[in-house]
Amino acid sequence: KNEVEQSPQNLTAQEGEFITINCSYSVGISALHWLQQHPGGGIVSLFMLSSGKKKHGRLIATINIQEKHSSLHITASHPRDSAVYICAVRFGNEKLTFGTGTRLTIIP
Amino acid sequence: DADVTQTPRNRITKTGKRIMLECSQTKGHDRMYWYRQDPGLGLRLIYYSFDVKDINKGEISDGYSVSRQAQAKFSLSLESAIPNQTALYFCATSDTSAGSVYGYTFGSGTRLTVV
Repeated sequence: KNEVEQSPQNLTAQEGEFITINCSYSVGISALHWLQQHPGGGIVSLFMLSSGKKKHGRLIATINIQEKHSSLHITASHPRDSAVYICAVRFGNEKLTFGTGTRLTIIP
Repeated sequence: DADVTQTPRNRITKTGKRIMLECSQTKGHDRMYWYRQDPGLGLRLIYYSFDVKDINKGEISDGYSVSRQAQAKFSLSLESAIPNQTALYFCATSDTSAGSVYGYTFGSGTRLTVV
């Protein structure tokens, strides 16, 4: 049973659109991570958050602890944002549980 | 140089062969992990180590073994490779202290094919 659910599984949008990717989890967590996996396979950490909101460039991550939900937003999307975005949560210990990812394609 | 380096990047091996995947890091993190990624599935934890003397099994450790040779080095071995171990393997390190920005750093991955 996967305790981390992401939606949508696939998302295609036009360049410039505002993108939202969602992540829900089943029980309380100590932290949530957003990761980006490039087409070549490498994984880059984007954010680690346990409350509130974080922003880095055009990327914004929010988390609602009460609703057990997080969102990753991309403003002014660009083709280079095309990647798989992965949500992962830490349930109190050091081990992460990963979602299956959202494949984002931005069309010029 | 990458913070977390995995070697090899790609490997094709035959069923029954022993193979070792290596991971080294310059982050100075105590905690290291090996994950496996299969199409349509989230990353799954094979083994993890919180320091040189601490090795723990993850959710899919059968068929794998690890060695933490030093704080900076964590190797994954397949003693007798089988085709369903064909996957993308990632090494990662973590720093999840309050001041940490990203928490985890991943290697570039090793694509292993067992024929």
